[in-house]
Parts: sequence; structure tokens; C-alpha cells
Amino acid sequence: GAVVSQHPSRVICKSGTSVKIECRSLDFQATTMFWYRQFPKQSLMLMATSNEGSKATYEQGVEKDKFLINHASLTLSTLTVTSAHPEDSSFYICSANWDRDSNQPQHFGDGTRLSIL
Amino acid sequence: QKEVEQNSGPLSVPEGAIASLNCTYSDRGSQSFFWYRQYSGKSPELIMSIYSNGDKEDGRFTAQLNKASQYVSLLIRDSQPSDSATYLCAVRSTGFQKLVFGTGTRLLVSP
Repeated sequence: GAVVSQHPSRVICKSGTSVKIECRSLDFQATTMFWYRQFPKQSLMLMATSNEGSKATYEQGVEKDKFLINHASLTLSTLTVTSAHPEDSSFYICSANWDRDSNQPQHFGDGTRLSIL
Repeated sequence: QKEVEQNSGPLSVPEGAIASLNCTYSDRGSQSFFWYRQYSGKSPELIMSIYSNGDKEDGRFTAQLNKASQYVSLLIRDSQPSDSATYLCAVRSTGFQKLVFGTGTRLLVSP
């Protein structure tokens, strides 16, 4: 089945560091990718929708200058958390659709656990 | 008002019993419905998808959809301790790419 690969799986870094997370679709071309954040014991929160070749669409309350998204190819989207602070520590998960108009489900990456000291 | 609602649980069932997980949604234009399972510390994995009214069975899992009542459910037969996880209901409306997730129901299956 469809596979989404996310890297790295865990990041621990100092406050003020910028962190880049990669999301790749391995066996299909993903026209759309999604970035979620999940705090402990809470549900998934959609941060932004990433469309190949165009600007990402951010959800209300998500700072686009803080969370930079680049979807330069049909198989790769990146999320950069700029100048990360302890409150940015969370579980970040990407997912992908392979057809913009499809009814098909989203396939999730394994997630990236970000810890800011 | 939440768009997709689930009872947070925990729902506790003994091993071998049927677990029934429920989800209601507010958008009548919703066309695609999904159940994901999420183990603690892991990302969600797809269990079932359903698009039309009625039942859809896959192994021990049965998804049920009633669009008139705006209700979707997941039945797990012969529940196993390994089924203990949080189950997320997700809904997609026609013309939209993103999924709207419920807050999830935590299922505990005791040996």
C-alpha cells in the first residue's frame, strides 16, 4: 500500500534552533500533503495543507512565518520550525493524498517527536 | 459545536467481546469516512474507510454508516488486548481535501 516516510523520527535541540522535518511519499506522487501537530493526550491538530508547486494553506492560529512549509516536488514536503522554543515541543505528523480530488484516505508518516530544551 | 464528535472513553471491554465505537458529524455534505487506530506515541494507521450507507466488513472490523442520522460506527469483534488504542473517526466533505478528525475514543481490552 501507499507509504509515507517521515524523517527524522526524533529531534532534541536547544531553544532558538530551527528544525527541518521531511515528509516523502515513497510509492506514489502526492499532490497534497498535510502537517499535523499532536500534544500529549490530545487529538491531531491540522497545521497546514501543502500543495505541490503552490503556497501552503495554514489553519487559523498557525503562524506561517514560524512554520515554513515547502512542497517543491510531488514526493517531498518539508516543515521547518524556525527559532523553536520549548512550547513548540510536540509530535509532528505528516500525511499525504495521492489525488487532489480523490476519496482516498490520507496515509500518515511515522511522526517526528520534537523536544526543545 | 464540534464538527466530528466521539466519546473520549475509555471504553473498557473484556477480551473476546465486541467493542462498539461511535462517531457523529455535523456536515451533511460529508462523503468520505475513515477510522484510524493510534497507539500511544505512534502515528495513526488506517483501519477502515466507508463511503456509502450500510455496513462494510474487513476481518474483525465492521464500519457502519448512516448518512441520514450523520452517524458512523466501528465494531470490533473478538476484541484482543492488542486492540487497545485510541480510535479516531475522520470525515471528509465533498470538494475538500482535508480530513476533520474527532478527538478519539480510547479503547481498553482487558485479558
